[in-house]
Order: sequence, then structure tokens, then C-alpha cells
Amino acid sequence: ELKVEQNPLFLSMQEGKNYTIYCNYSTTSDRLYWYRQDPGKSLESLFVLLSNGAVKQEGRLMASLDTKARLSTLHITAAVHDLSATYFCAPEDAGTASKLTFGTGTRLQVTL
Amino acid sequence: NAGVTQTPKFRVLKTGQSMTLLCAQDMNHEYMYWYRQDPGMGLRLIHYSVGEGTTAKGEVPDGYNVSRLKKQNFLLGLESAAPSQTSVYFCASRYGGEGNQPQHFGDGTRLSIL
Repeated sequence: ELKVEQNPLFLSMQEGKNYTIYCNYSTTSDRLYWYRQDPGKSLESLFVLLSNGAVKQEGRLMASLDTKARLSTLHITAAVHDLSATYFCAPEDAGTASKLTFGTGTRLQVTL
Repeated sequence: NAGVTQTPKFRVLKTGQSMTLLCAQDMNHEYMYWYRQDPGMGLRLIHYSVGEGTTAKGEVPDGYNVSRLKKQNFLLGLESAAPSQTSVYFCASRYGGEGNQPQHFGDGTRLSIL
């Protein structure tokens, strides 16, 4: 059974600062997804990481995947208030149906 | 393009009542999923489907049933609602093959069981 651990669970950071969210998972997975969720809203896909060493960047966010270490990171550069949200990582289960196992999420609060 | 549409958006039930949540997608996706989201626990997979007429159990299937009679629709049923089923329910769909397509989520159904 795939287990996913995100840390930190809550992150308060000032605008302009950098920080990294970590996602560790327990069994082999070659694909991992990052999602963003605003309070009371749906989940929005941010990144799809398909292989070991994959790195994707969009604006102030950069995600990476190390399948050998079973680790993905989401790096935030020069945070702005609009990045305040909850971020979920979700490695894909091996096998059919592209099932995802979600971490508990990291609630990011960016303050002035 | 509506994407994934869930109905209803909110519902309050009494313990023991039954109801059906509807998920409809217009992207011709093969795979569909039902999740529940509880505070501090992320999303947990209830049931999923890889195509019309097929369903399978996820991580937390007890107390729920599903049906996929048409490719575009995936129904989640609660036969006898319990307070432990108070949650936000999300439906998602995905293209059914390899590649870089993520799951696409609906806006959720907020369900309270009294």
C-alpha cells in the first residue's frame, strides 16, 4: 500500500522568501502529480512529473522528482500572496487506472 | 467546455437516508474516480472506473456503491447515510492511457449527515 507523507503540514512565510515542500512516498512510483487547492474550491493540476530526474517550472514554482529516493519537492521562489493555498502531492499507484494516493497537503500562507 | 460537473453542490441528510451523487464529464475520458476529503486527511479514493460498465473499489469503499452505465457519467450512492460520511466528495476523470494527463476534478459536493 502506497503511503505519502508531506512536510511541513503548515507553512507561513513572508513575501519574497524561498521555501521547499517535501513529499516522501513509500513504494515505487514513476509518476507524480502536484495539485493546488484554494479554500472551498476544487483541485487544480500544477505539475505532472513522469520520470526520475524530471523537473518542471511554472512561474515561482518548481517541482522535481527523484524516484530512487521516493521524493518529490515543490520549491517556491520569492513567494507572493497569491500563492497562498493548500498544495498536494500525489504519486501514481503502479498498475491500471492511474490511481493516485494523495498526501495530507501543505497549507501555505504567504504574509506581507 | 464544462469539464467535470458534480450535482448537487450541497446536501444535508438525516442518518439512514439514501442519496445519489452525480458526476458528469464531457471530455470523453475513460477513467473516472470518486474521492472524499476530510479535514487534515487529504483525498481518499472511494471507487473508480476504467470504462463504461466497470467499477472497482478504492481505499475507503464501505458504505458506498457506484455505477457507470454511460461513459460520461459516474454515480456515487449512499444507501443508508451515517454521520461518518459527512465530507466533501470530489469526482475526477482522466484520459485512459499512458502520458502526461492529470486527473481533472469537479467542484465538489459538500454533504452533511445529521
